[in-house]
Amino acid sequence: EIVMTQSPATLSVSPGERATLSCRASQSVSSNLAWYQQKPGQAPRLLIYGASTRATGIPARFSGSGSGTEFTLTISSLQSEDFAVYYCQQYNNWPPIFTFGPGTKVDIK
Amino acid sequence: EVQLVQSGAEVKKPGESLKISCKGSGYSFTSYWIGWVRQMPGKGLEWMGIIYPGDSDTRYSPSFQGQVTISADKSISTAYLQWSSLKASDTAMYYCARRGGGPIDAFDIWGQGTMVTVSS
Repeated sequence: EIVMTQSPATLSVSPGERATLSCRASQSVSSNLAWYQQKPGQAPRLLIYGASTRATGIPARFSGSGSGTEFTLTISSLQSEDFAVYYCQQYNNWPPIFTFGPGTKVDIK
Repeated sequence: EVQLVQSGAEVKKPGESLKISCKGSGYSFTSYWIGWVRQMPGKGLEWMGIIYPGDSDTRYSPSFQGQVTISADKSISTAYLQWSSLKASDTAMYYCARRGGGPIDAFDIWGQGTMVTVSS
């Protein structure tokens, strides 16, 4: 079973600053890694899939990188609407198996 | 518009049964996997299982195998998550989500969530 970890648990950032979130897999997941954003009271929203491809409608300030076991989500210049919890998720093509990380909360400094 | 619409909030007693639903529209329901995700109060996301409505192929997370049943009725484009005997620890928000096709193997469309409260 693949275990996903995320760091830090909480990231305090000022608006306009850069935020860097990390995700690690206990074994290689190739590029089968997604990032989601969840705001209070809302369902999660897909940001990034394939480790680095932005989903439809996602602003260019969100970028993903990495492969294998180490991944990064970067928000280049935080906007007020970006303060949320971010989850990474590994997905296995076949059989379909998914694992979420514990999340990183990005809050206002 | 592609969307998943879930059934409304439920309040149940321990030991009762429950079936919640997730209706897809705006796309070919039988061609995409539908997954279920649990979020306990104040906690993170947990993948429970997934079904392919086209042939009802179903896979479960080991953590949820035997605890819930996932099914689908393709004639009405609806997936289900059910419990035969609820526990207080089943209190959570439950989301359904579509596994995207092609290169998008992640969950690209989400339902609005169904809150299940189990309390005596």
